[in-house]
Amino acid sequence: EIVLTQSPATLSLSPGERVTLSCRASQSVSSYLAWYQQKPGQPPRLLIYEASNRATGIPARFSGSGSATHFILTISSLEPEDFAVYYCQQRSVWPVTFGPGTKVEIK
Amino acid sequence: QVQLAQSGAEVKKPGASVRVSCKASGYTFSSYEINWVRQTTGQGLEWMGWMNPHSGNTGYAQKFQGRVSMTRNTSITTAYMEVSSLRSDDTAVYYCARSLGSPAWFDIWGQGTLVIVAS
Repeated sequence: EIVLTQSPATLSLSPGERVTLSCRASQSVSSYLAWYQQKPGQPPRLLIYEASNRATGIPARFSGSGSATHFILTISSLEPEDFAVYYCQQRSVWPVTFGPGTKVEIK
Repeated sequence: QVQLAQSGAEVKKPGASVRVSCKASGYTFSSYEINWVRQTTGQGLEWMGWMNPHSGNTGYAQKFQGRVSMTRNTSITTAYMEVSSLRSDDTAVYYCARSLGSPAWFDIWGQGTLVIVAS
C-alpha cells in the first residue's frame, strides 16, 4: 500500500497569503495524484486531478504540480472560503489511499 | 444537477450489520463507478471498495474483504453498501463517491452517513 505524507499538519495564515501544501508518496505514483478540499460537515471536494488538472468549477487560484513522489498544491491568494482541510489521494495502485490532511486555519 | 443522496444516520450494536444507500441522480447511473470511502477521526479517509453499476462487478480493499458487500438496484439508480460484524472502530462517516473507472478520482460525493457502533 502506498503511504501519502502531508506537511505541514496545520498552517495558520491570513487572507491574501500564498499557500504551498506538500504531499509525498512512499513510492512513485507517476502523475496519478489528486487534491481535495474538505470543510466541516461537508464531503471532500475534488480540486485537482492527475497532479495538475483543475476539476470543473475550481478557481484558477488553485494549482497543482509535481510527479513521482513529491507533489505541491498552491493557492495563489487565500480567500476566506479557502480555510479548510486539504487531502491528497493517489490512484496509481490498489488500494487507493489518502494522505492525513493539512488544515489551513485563519491566523 | 448531478448528486448522490445517502440514507440517514444509524446506531448499531457491536456484531450487527448496517446497510447504507446512495441514490444517484442527474447522470447515467450505469456509466460511472460508485466507490465507498469512510472517514474516522483516527484513520482519516479510507477507501473501502468500488462497484460497477452496469455489470455489478466489485472490488474491495483487503482490509474490508469478507465483511463488506456492495450492490445496486439499477431500476432506482441506487447503490448499497453493507458492513457486517460491526465493531466500535467502524464508527465513522461513510461516503459514496462517483468515479470514472477504478482506481480513479472521486468527482461527486454523497453527503455522508454517520454510523455509530456502540453497546
